[in-house]
Amino acid sequence: GAGVSQSPSNKVTEKGKDVELRCDPISGHTALYWYRQRLGQGLEFLIYFQGNSAPDKSGLPSDRFSAERTGESVSTLTIQRTQQEDSAVYLCASSLRGSDEQYFGPGTRLTVT
Amino acid sequence: AQSVTQPDIHITVSEGASLELRCNYSYGATPYLFWYVQSPGQGLQLLLKYFSGDTLVQGIKGFEAEFKRSQSSFNLRKPSVHWSDAAEYFCAVTSGTYKYIFGTGTRLKVLA
Repeated sequence: GAGVSQSPSNKVTEKGKDVELRCDPISGHTALYWYRQRLGQGLEFLIYFQGNSAPDKSGLPSDRFSAERTGESVSTLTIQRTQQEDSAVYLCASSLRGSDEQYFGPGTRLTVT
Repeated sequence: AQSVTQPDIHITVSEGASLELRCNYSYGATPYLFWYVQSPGQGLQLLLKYFSGDTLVQGIKGFEAEFKRSQSSFNLRKPSVHWSDAAEYFCAVTSGTYKYIFGTGTRLKVLA
């Protein structure tokens, strides 16, 4: 079946612009995660959605970052007023409720110039 | 503080040689441990995981890992590396919640 998909695969933006990154989880997966992967670093947890529960936003680095999820489907990560330090690969993952196995998308590579 | 350390940033091995990738963790609770592989342009794929029981776990693609509580380690091994194993490997730990802590990764290069 289809895996987790993300779009765009690459995004180049100017400093100060807003960007939206999209994630389509695997159908039926109630949990969705966003991570940031900076060059030479491990994955950094950003936000977690589980069904209709309030999301865990504890990993969002600043109030310029926000994310939404429509029901148990698509999620959008928005970065406002982008800064150069936002340049990274943003990975999305999804999982079944109660499962510890996360399925990752290919990521969106964001470059802020 | 909870952390995962992968001390080798890059490793190069010849095809057919054995492989061991190191992972050390610092975690107060009983850890759940994972190894993921990331091929270029791909998302992370789960290789194997350890929750409890037998400390030697088998994964996909011929990989295995051994949990050593006394050494706080969870090293990944493969007896004979294939060229297609060239990728980046990540170790991760969680206490059983959705919040994983990932290491910085080890990039594996395989020589023909």
